[in-house]
Amino acid sequence: DVKVTQSSRYLVKRTGEKVFLECVQDMDHENMFWYRQDPGLGLRLIYFSYDVKMKEKGDIPEGYSVSREKKERFSLILESASTNQTSMYLCASGLGGGLVKNIQYFGAGTRLSVL
Amino acid sequence: AQKITQTQPGMFVQEKEAVTLDCTYDTSDPSYGLFWYKQPSSGEMIFLIYQGSYDQQNATEGRYSLNFQKARKSANLVISASQLGDSAMYFCAMREGNNNDMRFGAGTRLTVKP
Repeated sequence: DVKVTQSSRYLVKRTGEKVFLECVQDMDHENMFWYRQDPGLGLRLIYFSYDVKMKEKGDIPEGYSVSREKKERFSLILESASTNQTSMYLCASGLGGGLVKNIQYFGAGTRLSVL
Repeated sequence: AQKITQTQPGMFVQEKEAVTLDCTYDTSDPSYGLFWYKQPSSGEMIFLIYQGSYDQQNATEGRYSLNFQKARKSANLVISASQLGDSAMYFCAMREGNNNDMRFGAGTRLTVKP
């Protein structure tokens, strides 16, 4: 079974703090993704990576950065957390190659509250 | 522009009955894939079913089937013989062409009544 593991299920941080969300996958997938989930808006793509050290902006990259130093690990960084970044964050991984049928496999999510 | 539209924020169904969750999409790419995911209260997104734009038949996976109407650009999920464990959020998603990323709808919360 594919396993995508997010380091924390719940996080509470203060405004202005630097926040790291970690994601690890064990299926040697080329692609990894970070989404943000808000009620009524579904999932919105923040960033994705198609290879080590490679990244592309998604729909809502402002206020976020990412790091992929190893193939299995993809980190989301909030440089200076703000209250409007309170949300559910979902990490996913999937095969590369650009095939339409490639499934994305998700972690359990991290619910972040910024106070 | 919204690529994926799920018009039903919430749905109720009686246990053992069938239910249809609606999904319409918008694309000009002839090659695309449509996905449905289930998200229980635990938070993890679980892949349910996939339909390719060139697939001749509607996809089926156990109690899940996809009512794919290409001309109408709809890809409705049908769950037969609903179970209490089917209560969850359901998301429709689309990948276009050779893009790596997907677009998700806003989701439908399904509640199965005993």
